[in-house]
Amino acid sequence: DGGITQSPKYLFRKEGQNVTLSCEQNLNHDAMYWYRQDPGQGLRLIYYSQIVNDFQKGDIAEGYSVSREKKESFPLTVTSAQKNPTAFYLCASSRGGEGLYGHEQFFGPGTRLTVL
Amino acid sequence: AQSVTQLDSHVSVSEGTPVLLRCNYSSSYSPSLFWYVQHPNKGLQLLLKYTSAATLVKGINGFEAEFKKSETSFHLTKPSAHMSDAAEYFCVVNVPGSQGNLIFGKGTKLSVKP
Repeated sequence: DGGITQSPKYLFRKEGQNVTLSCEQNLNHDAMYWYRQDPGQGLRLIYYSQIVNDFQKGDIAEGYSVSREKKESFPLTVTSAQKNPTAFYLCASSRGGEGLYGHEQFFGPGTRLTVL
Repeated sequence: AQSVTQLDSHVSVSEGTPVLLRCNYSSSYSPSLFWYVQHPNKGLQLLLKYTSAATLVKGINGFEAEFKKSETSFHLTKPSAHMSDAAEYFCVVNVPGSQGNLIFGKGTKLSVKP
């Protein structure tokens, strides 16, 4: 059964702590993405990766970090430098490579992060 | 610059009546356009996509959308709403050279009354 998994579904963090959100895909997709969703603001791109061992900042990368050591995995770390981390985080993947235009992204179920 | 505008933040319809969710885009290039649906606390699911083939695109669950270049619009419609259609809908654009990155509208929340 192909798809994208994210864990945990809910995550609580104390101020000043780093936390890592997991994203795994078995679709054999080259490209992976992290988005942040806040009410009424749609989705905003945090980081993306077109290929293993390479990633690029999105529109709101400050306070976040990622790694892409394996094709199927793209974990996101929310650091203590992120001033307002409470949000719903979505991971996605797409075929990527040449001809990225027109390829839809497939989304995971999301992780809701709450800072206490 | 590319952008997407969803003209209504909230639409309310009665079950069995038509649905119209409006989307306008701005792009210097021929875009690919998508509609996604999101149920509460879930990920996004692709409803349909336009990639320069037929201008009338049929998607899942009875939804369809028509690409109108002259109006720069890509409105989503369904002839008869069902209670299960209540969700948030996102219009999304992708343009050449954007490294596959998508530009999302702010979403339209659809409510369906019994």
